Amino acid sequence: QVQLQESGPGLVKPSQTLSLTCTVSGGSISSGGYYWSWIRQHPGKGLEWIGYIYYSGSTYYNPSLKSRVTISVDTSKNQFSLKLSSVTAADTAVYYCARDSVREPAHFDYWGQGTLVTVSS
Amino acid sequence: QSALTQPASVSGSPGQSITISCTGTSSDVGSYNLVSWYQQHPGKAPKLMIYEVSKRPSGVSNRFSGSKSGNTASLTISGLQAEDEADYYCCSYAGSSTCVFGGGTKLTVL
Repeated sequence: QVQLQESGPGLVKPSQTLSLTCTVSGGSISSGGYYWSWIRQHPGKGLEWIGYIYYSGSTYYNPSLKSRVTISVDTSKNQFSLKLSSVTAADTAVYYCARDSVREPAHFDYWGQGTLVTVSS
Repeated sequence: QSALTQPASVSGSPGQSITISCTGTSSDVGSYNLVSWYQQHPGKAPKLMIYEVSKRPSGVSNRFSGSKSGNTASLTISGLQAEDEADYYCCSYAGSSTCVFGGGTKLTVL
């Protein structure tokens, strides 16, 4: 059973960089076949796809966030990470990591529990 | 890349059937049979209910079914049960390795 777990600071100051890590267990990121994704949910709002990474390091981002987002992968630790720069209060959200299928994209079958990140001074 | 359009809320009585629509464009829903649906209970992570328009993951009740016509996908829940009360989100592949979600629909079981 694949499990994903987000970790990182719950509070980030405006203009700083939000950094989160997702640790994958029960399966290897290096095995291929999956995109490793970040998705966020503003308080009381819907889901927003941020982007994903393949184990090779290829990345794909939401065009609306592309200029501020970097997703990276560390296959030795079976982890992937999100960095979102120049954050504002509008970036306050629950951030989820999830697994998507390369063959059948938009098919997020495993999710982390989510972590709330608040942007505030 | 605009969010897919879903009704804000739907409701039904136990045992009834309801349908939630998800309207996109010819660039996303209309172009690919890659629409999925997620159920989210308060404070929980979303759960995959339908993928590739109409396929159900193992363990998901056959009371949940999906379909698509043109730029609109639909999720139908038959034999409504109290535990179906949740938020539901659709998601579509939008080309160029990007995805787009719907705004979400709150299902109330009366």
